[in-house]
Amino acid sequence: EAAVTQSPRNKVTVTGGNVTLSCRQTNSHNYMYWYRQDTGHGLRLIHYSYGAGNLQIGDVPDGYKATRTTQEDFFLLLELASPSQTSLYFCASSGSKNTLYFGAGTRLSVL
Amino acid sequence: QQKVQQSPESLTVSEGAMASLNCTFSDGTSNNFRWYRQHSAKGLEVLVSIFSDGEKEEGRFTAHLNRANLHVSLHIREPQPSDSAVYLCAVSSSNNRIFFGDGTQLVVKP
Repeated sequence: EAAVTQSPRNKVTVTGGNVTLSCRQTNSHNYMYWYRQDTGHGLRLIHYSYGAGNLQIGDVPDGYKATRTTQEDFFLLLELASPSQTSLYFCASSGSKNTLYFGAGTRLSVL
Repeated sequence: QQKVQQSPESLTVSEGAMASLNCTFSDGTSNNFRWYRQHSAKGLEVLVSIFSDGEKEEGRFTAHLNRANLHVSLHIREPQPSDSAVYLCAVSSSNNRIFFGDGTQLVVKP
């Protein structure tokens, strides 16, 4: 069955720490997305990509880098984590019809 | 930039009673509309997609779209306690950008 798998599921780091969130999809989709979800803000788009090597800036990109190494793999990098980046992070993929298929989420705490 | 607003913020209904959720959007060129459900900070699952004015039914879930009024709604027939979740409206245009509302928290009481 097609799936979007995120790792880790939970992560705790300290302010200034370096964090990488991983996402792999087996949907053969071109588009992949990173969202963060916070109470009162809903889902906000950080970065997205429409293929290996491509990166597009979302609505809340500050403090985040992303890299799409293959069609399957999309990474989100926090190089100097801050407490404001404590959040629930979702990865998703979509094909041509814009239906998003989400991973189970990564809960990140920055102390 | 597209603005997507959902109402109400929270809704409590009794098991078996119809639940109706609303979503308004600001970009009249939007052509892709979906409703997603999210149980307790878990991943989202798509319930129904609609692309033209009118209604689209998927099991107990029916979406109504009126693009002239910039409005899309979701109606849940015979809701059950297991339908208690956050419901999110997603709107996109031809540029593949997808915008979400903040969600409606639905509670279905037995």
